[in-house]
Amino acid sequence: RKEVEQDPGPFNVPEGATVAFNCTYSNSASQSFFWYRQDCRKEPKLLMSVYSSGNEDGRFTAQLNRASQYISLLIRDSKLSDSATYLCVVNGISNFGNEKLTFGTGTRLTIIP
Amino acid sequence: DTGVSQDPRHKITKRGQNVTFRCDPISEHNRLYWYRQTLGQGPEFLTYFQNEAQLEKSRLLSDRFSAERPKGSFSTLEIQRTEQGDSAMYLCASSLEQGQKLFFGSGTQLSVL
Repeated sequence: RKEVEQDPGPFNVPEGATVAFNCTYSNSASQSFFWYRQDCRKEPKLLMSVYSSGNEDGRFTAQLNRASQYISLLIRDSKLSDSATYLCVVNGISNFGNEKLTFGTGTRLTIIP
Repeated sequence: DTGVSQDPRHKITKRGQNVTFRCDPISEHNRLYWYRQTLGQGPEFLTYFQNEAQLEKSRLLSDRFSAERPKGSFSTLEIQRTEQGDSAMYLCASSLEQGQKLFFGSGTQLSVL
């Protein structure tokens, strides 16, 4: 089983719609969680951290479910500029005791006018 | 620009040649990471430095790969005897503390012919 799993998509969504992605992780000891956004041929950039209580940033809402070991990202009122790949990132501890950030394969989202 | 910078942006080389990439992290960041990303995949961890110490290397980092961070500032990643399978985007990232978000450079796109 992969450490971090995401549906690669693509998700093709009309402008203004709401879209949600899930990401599952295998290591129950994972400590922190993030969503990164990556535009085509660009570097990943942090979109938001994911907190246990859930958190919201404008049109974006992130949730964490430790019991089921998944995190989610909800985008409301989607814009054309939301078209990108969304990477789920899980921060845990490696076998050598070091911080280890593991990325999912990413979910490709295209917003259609 | 005070972000993470990588050089070169693109590198085309013939199979069997050696290549070296450079990464300059954000100046106060003591943690530096190298990742590799191929098309349709998320970034895969290669190696991690805390200051000048290389604390962890992935199984992906074969003997042909070596990374250094001699003074705890910039880092180099060298690939010897390149193979076509080495073609990928090599991303460098830095962070200030454990658990903090990663700041990525624009990456070096390597093409091995």
